[in-house]
Amino acid sequence: EVQLVESGGGLVKPGGSLRLSCAASGFTFSSYSMNWVRQAPGKGLEWVSSISSSSSYIYYADSVKGRFTISRDNAKNSLYLQMNSLRAEDTAVYYCARVNWNYGYAGYWGQGTLVTVSS
Amino acid sequence: DIQMTQSPSSLSASVGDRVTITCRASQGISNYLAWYQQKPGKVPKLLIYAASTLQSGVPSRFSGSGSGTDFTLTISSLQPEDVATYYCQKYNSALFTFGPGTKVDIK
Repeated sequence: EVQLVESGGGLVKPGGSLRLSCAASGFTFSSYSMNWVRQAPGKGLEWVSSISSSSSYIYYADSVKGRFTISRDNAKNSLYLQMNSLRAEDTAVYYCARVNWNYGYAGYWGQGTLVTVSS
Repeated sequence: DIQMTQSPSSLSASVGDRVTITCRASQGISNYLAWYQQKPGKVPKLLIYAASTLQSGVPSRFSGSGSGTDFTLTISSLQPEDVATYYCQKYNSALFTFGPGTKVDIK
């Protein structure tokens, strides 16, 4: 069974940093691209970042470019999101998702981890 | 960047009704479009990918169509468990963009 479990969320002050993790199991992690998607309270879904299976290709939404860094450790079956210079508008539930790179759809999602940026 | 729009933003229909949601891309995206269902307080769930391919396990009352810039998600007979927000999502040039969502409830 495919499982994605996010962790690392919490309360952080504006300008602060946080590192999210996503532990994957039930599939060959090194064969799949992964996404981070977020959802602000009461709002829609927003794609944040993508990383290909071997980390050769990495992409970011304009809203986080230069502040967030996606990475993965295939030996540890883990995906990460380093978030720096956090702003109030980064407050959201952050989901990791397994992606089919050819057609760009996310077939499996984690339960999400809440990041709150507030003073 | 390619923008995605959805219409309507919300709808209310009776059980058994046929429901159609439209998604439009500002530029052609071939069939690189997916649909997701998100029930209140739950994680998004993939319904359809490649514009018209039903994800395994999804009820056959859901269907998708379209190519290029105009796409539709159809629920052939609305059920109470279909109350949710539905999002389209495009994929091109390794960029993923979601539509704003369509909230569906029961009249």
